Order: sequence, then structure tokens, then C-alpha cells
Amino acid sequence: DQQVKQNSPSLSVQEGRISILNCDYTNSMFDYFLWYKKYPAEGPTFLISISSIKDKNEDGRFTVFLNKSAKHLSLHIVPSQPGDSAVYFCASFNQAGTALIFGKGTTLSVSS
Amino acid sequence: NAGVTQTPKFRILKIGQSMTLQCTQDMNHNYMYWYRQDPGMGLKLIYYSVGAGITDKGEVPNGYNVSRSTTEDFPLRLELAAPSQTSVYFCASINRGVTEAFFGQGTRLTVV
Repeated sequence: DQQVKQNSPSLSVQEGRISILNCDYTNSMFDYFLWYKKYPAEGPTFLISISSIKDKNEDGRFTVFLNKSAKHLSLHIVPSQPGDSAVYFCASFNQAGTALIFGKGTTLSVSS
Repeated sequence: NAGVTQTPKFRILKIGQSMTLQCTQDMNHNYMYWYRQDPGMGLKLIYYSVGAGITDKGEVPNGYNVSRSTTEDFPLRLELAAPSQTSVYFCASINRGVTEAFFGQGTRLTVV
């Protein structure tokens, strides 16, 4: 069963608009979440993270929001740029804090 | 600083052959991971290790073996290659308590 779920396989937005990528998790004990970005033929690269003691973390154009009661987090990209077109993965450590589990990813396409 | 290095980058195997995918990190990270990425399926955890001499199964361990004799190296072994193992394999490392996991560039394996 999926412990980290990204239910939207793809998202298309126009340059300059906001991109919102969503992620749900099943275990309320998960306490640390990461977002990764992946271009074709490259390894994933870290984007931003959030601890469960926070409900928001911001880094430039990227903001992650965490709603613990809903077991939901979202990544906001504002403004979106064509170079943001990539696959975005949400990830979390398992309850023991050892295994890093990823969602299926969401492919973001930003058109100019 | 090389980060996480994976070799080879590409490989074609015949059914029943064996091979080892190499992964080395020079950041003195405790935790290391092997993932496979299939189209539309995200990153599936194969095996992971929380330190030298300690390994554990992830979500999809069947058909693979690992060892962790040193902090730096975490090789992944395929004993009897099957077409279902055709995939892109990524190795990653992290120190728990640090914000991000670092990934290698991937190994694209085709079993024919």
C-alpha cells in the first residue's frame, strides 16, 4: 500500500501562474517531508523540506504547506517558469525514521 | 566533491545473467538507499542501509541483494536477471537529521 500518495500524475500551468502540487500520506507518525525535482536522464535533486513542527516552509519561489490533521502537504511554485517543467516527488521517512519513501510523482509542464 | 557516484550508467543484460550496480558516496553519510524507477510508478525502494554492516528490505527487494561493508559503498547485486528488472536504478545517501538526500545520476538497465 502506498504510504505517500501523489494522486495527480500531471499538471499544466502557464508561465507566471501558480503551480500547486499535492501529496497525501497515510501514517500520522511521519514527521519529516521532502520534495524532489527530477529532469529526464538525471537523478532527483532536493527542492525543499518541512518538519511536522511547522505548517509552512518557504524558499524563494517554492513554499511547502503541511496540514497534519488532513495528512496532506502541498508545494506551491510562484511564479512558475518553463524551467520548472519536471517531475516532482514527495517523500517521507518511515515511522522508524530509516526508510525514505517516495510518491509516484507529478509531471509539471509550464508553458510560455 | 563527487557526492554519490553510480556505475555503470547503462547496461544491457541477457536473461539469467548477473551483475552488480556500484554506488559510492564521499560525504560520510550513514544512510544509503537503492531505488528503481519505472514509468509512471515513481521511485520504489529496493533496499536500504543505516550503517556499515546493516541492511534492510524496502518495498521491492525480490531478485536483488545488497551489502554494506564500508560507509562509502553500497553495491546492489542482481543474481538472475529478468525482464521485469528492466528499469532505471538510483542510489541515494543521507545523514539523518540533515535536510536532504543526495542521488546519483542513475543506471539504466535493460534485460533482454
